Formats: sequence, structure tokens, C-alpha cells
Amino acid sequence: NAGVTQTPKFRILKIGQSMTLQCAQDMNHNYMYWYRQDPGMGLKLIYYSVGAGITDKGEVPNGYNVSRSTTEDFPLRLELAAPSQTSVYFCASSYSGTGNYGYTFGSGTRLTVV
Amino acid sequence: KNEVEQSPQNLTAQEGEFITINCSYSVGISALHWLQQHPGGGIVSLFMLSSGKKKHGRLIATINIQEKHSSLHITASHPRDSAVYICAVRWSSGDKLTFGTGTRLAVRP
Repeated sequence: NAGVTQTPKFRILKIGQSMTLQCAQDMNHNYMYWYRQDPGMGLKLIYYSVGAGITDKGEVPNGYNVSRSTTEDFPLRLELAAPSQTSVYFCASSYSGTGNYGYTFGSGTRLTVV
Repeated sequence: KNEVEQSPQNLTAQEGEFITINCSYSVGISALHWLQQHPGGGIVSLFMLSSGKKKHGRLIATINIQEKHSSLHITASHPRDSAVYICAVRWSSGDKLTFGTGTRLAVRP
């Protein structure tokens, strides 16, 4: 049982490049989330999904896109990378939106945009 | 504004000490979560509380709804407890989590 798997773990992008951060979970969780963690700040929600085919914006969605074609996968797309997107990105999943059964986090992707 | 504040920001302890980390929030919540972030970056859920107290091994989490305050206690601390401890709340008015900035704990042998 792998939990939440994120790839890649590290990436350096040049300004204007694009990339996709992959996230997959094998727990049949309905809810999936993308967060970013900046130094000295709490995690901020970028996008979330309540099920396959349904996505919605979080607190800081600008510059990102997501899709949820299957229950298992929730990729995060950066179309035109900017230095402000340098951060650590975490994908998470939960059985329900209340989090009553807890949240499972991926190991994170450290992204640097230069 | 809905806010979550943690204290202290940094904490250094000697092995064996009893540790308390605090979390305060501004308005009503439906649940509070304590998370642990290891030095390698991974985040693990420790507790979810809506009232009272929960215990798991050497970790104890309490919440006082009236005072809008939660504490995470670690008994008989060990160097492997060194991590960042994060408080997150789910507001009564919404369905998203708001995270505190974390408490960085270092336990020295």
C-alpha cells in the first residue's frame, strides 16, 4: 500500500518553462489536494478535487492548473514557471472532505524556478 | 480574519523532557489536526480532534473549544521526535484547512 506518491522529488525549471507534478494515491480516497509550502508560512491550498471530473480553486490557484480524470491521479500543471512558484509542493488525499479519517500526504516536490 | 497561531516557533529540549506545543485559533472550528513534518520533508497526520483529548504512545493532544486553544504534549522526549509540528483547523463555516506556520522542535541527546 503506497499511500500518496509524488514525482519528481526535486526539479529546477527556467522561467517560462512548463512542467507537471504528478500525484497518485491507491487508497480510493475521494478528496485530493495540492498545497504549497513557503518558508515561514503555513501550507496554502492551490487546488482540490472532491472526485473524478471535479476540481476547484483553493487560496492560491493563479499560475496552476489541475485535472482529475481518475480517482487515483491528480496532476498539477505549471504552464509558465515564475520565480514566485519556487516552493515545496505537497499532494494530499482524504476519504472525506471533513478529514475525520485524517489526511495522507505525499513526500513533497521541491521546485526551484530560476 | 480566520487565523491559526502556534507557539513557540522554535523549541529545543533535552532528551527526556516533557514538551508542550500550543495552537490558538480565532473563531469556531469543526476539527483541529496535528501534523508532524520530518526533517526529510514528509508530513504525517498525528491527531484529529473536535473535543477533549487523544493519546497515542507518548503523544497527547488536547483541545479546549471555549478557549479556542489546543496543545500537543510529548512525554519522555527523544531525539527522533525532532521535527516540525503543524496545527491545522477546519473552520465551522467552511470545508478547507488553515495551517499554522509550525513549531520546530529539536530534542538533544
